[in-house]
Amino acid sequence: DADVTQTPRNRITKTGKRIMLECSQTKGHDRMYWYRQDPGLGLRLIYYSFDVKDINKGEISDGYSVSRQAQAKFSLSLESAIPNQTALYFCATSDQTGKVTDTQYFGPGTRLTVL
Amino acid sequence: QKEVEQNSGPLSVPEGAIASLNCTYSDRGSQSFFWYRQYSGKSPELIMSIYSNGDKEDGRFTAQLNKASQYVSLLIRDSQPSDSATYLCAVDTGRRALTFGSGTRLQVQP
Repeated sequence: DADVTQTPRNRITKTGKRIMLECSQTKGHDRMYWYRQDPGLGLRLIYYSFDVKDINKGEISDGYSVSRQAQAKFSLSLESAIPNQTALYFCATSDQTGKVTDTQYFGPGTRLTVL
Repeated sequence: QKEVEQNSGPLSVPEGAIASLNCTYSDRGSQSFFWYRQYSGKSPELIMSIYSNGDKEDGRFTAQLNKASQYVSLLIRDSQPSDSATYLCAVDTGRRALTFGSGTRLQVQP
């Protein structure tokens, strides 16, 4: 079984709809992240969480919210989806090893299309 | 200026040649550096991590870090068509999360 799973893998929705993307991990890592990827723009950080009570905005958090339900689960919500949120979304996890950021492990991604 | 910059490519090399991928970063306080490989439509997977100045070798891959010049590079020896992918450079800029470059697309010609 995959260490980091994302559901759904593909989703098509309409403008204005609320949508939730879910991420689960069995790696036992404390840190979890949500990124979006657009062609030519690389990975951009939306939100990250270092534990259940520590949630932080990334560089592009507007229009998104998150929930860390447990150490293993981190959900991303689009309260009112808009077409420019069409992208490939990745969840990632990493272990906590002092002050240096450790390797991040990525889920398979969710391809979201907002019509 | 972007925090992490990469040439978007494509970088085209013949099979068996050395591919050289470069990345520059702006924050002198950065401490950890990563190279990820990403096939089209797939998730990034870690190739190499490097924390100290100098070279780090792993099989056909060598990462090079020069903190004074603020660049990190990835060399791929004996390039294979299966190495054709986008290579992402990621840097810990001290903000508790990684910052990624936009990636360099590598094409290895058979």
